[in-house]
Amino acid sequence: EPEVTQTPSHQVTQMGQEVILRCVPISNHLYFYWYRQILGQKVEFLVSFYNNEISEKSEIFDDQFSVERPDGSNFTLKIRSTKLEDSAMYFCASSQGTGRAREQYFGPGTRLTVT
Amino acid sequence: GDSVTQMEGPVTLSEEAFLTINCTYTATGYPSLFWYVQYPGEGLQLLLKATKADDKGSNKGFEATYRKETTSFHLEKGSVQVSDSAVYFCARYTGNQFYFGTGTSLTVIP
Repeated sequence: EPEVTQTPSHQVTQMGQEVILRCVPISNHLYFYWYRQILGQKVEFLVSFYNNEISEKSEIFDDQFSVERPDGSNFTLKIRSTKLEDSAMYFCASSQGTGRAREQYFGPGTRLTVT
Repeated sequence: GDSVTQMEGPVTLSEEAFLTINCTYTATGYPSLFWYVQYPGEGLQLLLKATKADDKGSNKGFEATYRKETTSFHLEKGSVQVSDSAVYFCARYTGNQFYFGTGTSLTVIP
């Protein structure tokens, strides 16, 4: 069964450094998403991406964040200058379409630790 | 604002016990409701869903009924197994976004 993959599984970085989290969505999916979960808190929506542009983003997704689909398979989340509060589990997801009950398939997550 | 509130864990049950994980939501309109499960080391997997009031989602022995009058979508299973040990997330889907609860960790002991 096709699945969403994410690399690395765990990333440790120092405050102020740039990080890039990578995702390979399911190959025939058109919509891509990033979510994060700070330890002990809710899974929060960050951004959705379609047709090579951001379609929606949350208040969390400020100028420090950017997303890109650099080629036909990868979908990346970049944090320009990490802060301690960026430490979280980051989930990538993809879907074939949108609309009511359109299922999003999630990756296993990347745990980001900022020290 | 719109939110999803689910029962805090962790929950520990013996094999074959009955499971209930409560979930309530607040939302404008009529969202679709979901339960996702995360097994250790894996991503979020869709467990079941319901798209309108009184719908019942079911999968792998788990069930949840969309109750508009109580704004709830409680997850139940009649007889849990050790392999059900995981974190369970209730979520609602509105405006092409998922809004998740905090997750409930379930451990089933033999």
